[in-house]
Amino acid sequence: NAGVMQNPRHLVRRRGQEARLRCSPMKGHSHVYWYRQLPEEGLKFMVYLQKENIIDESGMPKERFSAEFPKEGPSILRIQQVVRGDSAAYFCASSGQGYQPQHFGDGTRLSIL
Amino acid sequence: KNEVEQSPQNLTAQEGEFITINCSYSVGISALHWLQQHPGGGIVSLFMLSSGKKKHGRLIATINIQEKHSSLHITASHPRDSAVYICAVMNTGNQFYFGTGTSLTVIP
Repeated sequence: NAGVMQNPRHLVRRRGQEARLRCSPMKGHSHVYWYRQLPEEGLKFMVYLQKENIIDESGMPKERFSAEFPKEGPSILRIQQVVRGDSAAYFCASSGQGYQPQHFGDGTRLSIL
Repeated sequence: KNEVEQSPQNLTAQEGEFITINCSYSVGISALHWLQQHPGGGIVSLFMLSSGKKKHGRLIATINIQEKHSSLHITASHPRDSAVYICAVMNTGNQFYFGTGTSLTVIP
């Protein structure tokens, strides 16, 4: 029974490139959450998605960041034209319907050169 | 002011000690989570609770909705309990707020 799978575990990009982070939720889970953890800071909520819908994106930066959770395939967090300040650990979590516990992936560590 | 405040920020304990980590929040919530983050960075959800008390092994979590306060207790602490413990609340709009975490070190 696989848990939440995130890939890649580590991603290095140069300033101006695009970063794509993937998250496959646990089997049977239809809710996906993305969080960012900046160096020496706590977790911050970014976006909450259900299949094909963005439910809450109040934590997403207004520009360069987007997220999707298509009918088929993993959820994708996309960062365009990355800057040094985007360097962080990005965690994905998934849950079932209703108020269910969230299960976290191991995160993607994004480093911007 | 953060919506979720944790205390203490750092905690060092001797193996076997009873440990308490506190969390206070200022928003109306539908649920509160206690998370554990190990030095490698992975995050594990320990508890989700909306009332009362839950126990799992040596871990106990309590919540007082009226006082907007939760505690995480670790009995008979062990060096492998060393981690960052994070309190997170979900408001009624499914939005999450996180505490800054309590870094626990248990010394053999």
